Amino acid sequence: DAGVIQSPRHEVTEMGQEVTLRCKPISGHDYLFWYRQTMMRGLELLIYFNNNVPIDDSGMPEDRFSAKMPNASFSTLKIQPSEPRDSAVYFCASSLYSDHQPQHFGDGTRLSIL
Amino acid sequence: AQKVTQAQTEISVVEKEDVTLDCVYETRDTTYYLFWYKQPPSGELVFLIRRNSFDEQNEISGRYSWNFQKSTSSFNFTITASQVVDSAVYFCALSEVRTNAGKSTFGDGTTLTVKP
Repeated sequence: DAGVIQSPRHEVTEMGQEVTLRCKPISGHDYLFWYRQTMMRGLELLIYFNNNVPIDDSGMPEDRFSAKMPNASFSTLKIQPSEPRDSAVYFCASSLYSDHQPQHFGDGTRLSIL
Repeated sequence: AQKVTQAQTEISVVEKEDVTLDCVYETRDTTYYLFWYKQPPSGELVFLIRRNSFDEQNEISGRYSWNFQKSTSSFNFTITASQVVDSAVYFCALSEVRTNAGKSTFGDGTTLTVKP
């Protein structure tokens, strides 16, 4: 079975540019999560969706960050404009809540903003 | 509010030593799930175990064992005869069934280094 698929794996861009991270959850999973991981702040939950609807976006750092889930098989996390402090590894995860299953994580996107 | 505390930031052991990673949680829900995840140096996060609040039986899987004690709100993880490949960051997580449904709260992680 295919796991959670994230793209790109690595992204290097200059500050001010728009960055779009993509995620394809495991088919049938009804929850999707976006996390950010840095040395300083650890693993932070940014936003999560249930059946494509955002449930809690309180972790989104500022208005420069936005996330969408137009359908059950695709989600994006966008940063516009990007800043060097946004450099981090961004993980997408999905889970099947009905059975309280664990979250399955993608391999992450390593983002570097110069 | 749910909270997970992993007080040990870093642990270093020599291969073949036993090591226990501590996890203490806080929740007001009576029904909840606890998880351990492993993040090796390659970076991916891998699920290890899930436990629900009604099952306090300890679990053993090979060299790994988990001790769940509701009386102390702890869910500790022990690696017996550690190996270099166990070197990773280990995260404990809590998911409440009633409150914050669907969401897991992660601890800050414990970095385990196993030296040859």
